[in-house]
Amino acid sequence: AQKVTQAQTEISVVEKEDVTLDCVYETRDTTYYLFWYKQPPSGELVFLIRRNSFDEQNEISGRYSWNFQKSTSSFNFTITASQVVDSAVYFCALALYSSASKIIFGSGTRLSIRP
Amino acid sequence: EAQVTQNPRYLITVTGKKLTVTCSQNMNHEYMSWYRQDPGLGLRQIYYSMNVEVTDKGDVPEGYKVSRKEKRNFPLILESPSPNQTSLYFCASRGTGGTFYEQYFGPGTRLTVT
Repeated sequence: AQKVTQAQTEISVVEKEDVTLDCVYETRDTTYYLFWYKQPPSGELVFLIRRNSFDEQNEISGRYSWNFQKSTSSFNFTITASQVVDSAVYFCALALYSSASKIIFGSGTRLSIRP
Repeated sequence: EAQVTQNPRYLITVTGKKLTVTCSQNMNHEYMSWYRQDPGLGLRQIYYSMNVEVTDKGDVPEGYKVSRKEKRNFPLILESPSPNQTSLYFCASRGTGGTFYEQYFGPGTRLTVT
């Protein structure tokens, strides 16, 4: 069975601190995609990144970076120098190439950045 | 502009009163899905469709119906809503070509059933 675990339910940090959101996934498939989405207080889902299972390179986009490690089945997300606008719920998700019908979401991590 | 639209965005209704949430996409996508989001549970798939007249159950289909008569539309129907269907609903679509696994989500519909 496939599963995505985000063990951190809520995180609160002071602005300008770095913060890492953990994501652990389970699948026996060898071809899959991993995602991160941001859900700000307004409620919409904002796509942040997609990674396929054959690309383990870390990625950096401004203050955001992602660490994909197949050996530990993890796809962690780090925000450097956090800002109040980063406050949101963040979802990690998994999609299997063999099962085109859906994305499997983690339960989400609520991130609060205090000024 | 490529987009998925949902209507209404907010809805408060009473138990048992049939309702429909519409979803439309303008990208000629084959795949469309409905998800519900509940606190602590993330998003769970309700129904999906792989093309016109092809639909199937997701993880939590009880109490919902869907139809796919046109490629662009995928309405979600609650024949007899109950309070446990109070949730945030998302429609999503994706294509099968170069955008494989690039899902587009609608803005969400917040439903309250009293």
